[in-house]
Amino acid sequence: AQTVTQSQPEMSVQEAETVTLSCTYDTSESDYYLFWYKQPPSRQMILVIRQEAYKQQNATENRFSVNFQKAAKSFSLKISDSQLGDAAMYFCAYRNLDYKLSFGAGTTVTVRA
Amino acid sequence: NAGVTQTPKFRILKIGQSMTLQCTQDMNHNYMYWYRQDPGMGLKLIYYSVGAGITDKGEVPNGYNVSRSTTEDFPLRLELAAPSQTSVYFCASSFWTGVFRDTEAFFGQGTRLTVV
Repeated sequence: AQTVTQSQPEMSVQEAETVTLSCTYDTSESDYYLFWYKQPPSRQMILVIRQEAYKQQNATENRFSVNFQKAAKSFSLKISDSQLGDAAMYFCAYRNLDYKLSFGAGTTVTVRA
Repeated sequence: NAGVTQTPKFRILKIGQSMTLQCTQDMNHNYMYWYRQDPGMGLKLIYYSVGAGITDKGEVPNGYNVSRSTTEDFPLRLELAAPSQTSVYFCASSFWTGVFRDTEAFFGQGTRLTVV
């Protein structure tokens, strides 16, 4: 079974600053997907960004970017120019060809005004 | 666009009662999933389905059953509710197009279940 580890239960960032969330995963596969999901207090799960393992280029979506290190099995999320609306729980997720989508325990991000 | 719809949004059950959490999607997705999220924790996979008539166990299937008679619907059944099943339940769906390409997973709004 794949394991996704998020070692930071909570992170705090000043508005307009940058915060980086860590994620590591354990797999023996060479092809897979990685995702970051955001869960605000409304409980809705919102996809933030995705990365295909066969792509070496790191994915970016506006203020969100990832640092994908395949050999190290690391997939961190950087939030730049943090906004109050970024406050939420963030989940790292992994999916390979057996269809299962596995999640980490989550990191709660607090944005200070 | 409806997306993934879960009902009910909230439910309180007594120990030993049974209930079915409904999930339906209108995106013609072949994959569907049920997760539970305990307070302050990540999502754990209960069951999943890769298409109508096909289901399989996830990480925490005990105490639950599922069926997938149509592409759209994937109900989750709790037969004898226990306090350990108090959680928030999420249904999700995605589409696999083959050749290692698929869509993101779309989630329902969740069902908050309390067993007392």
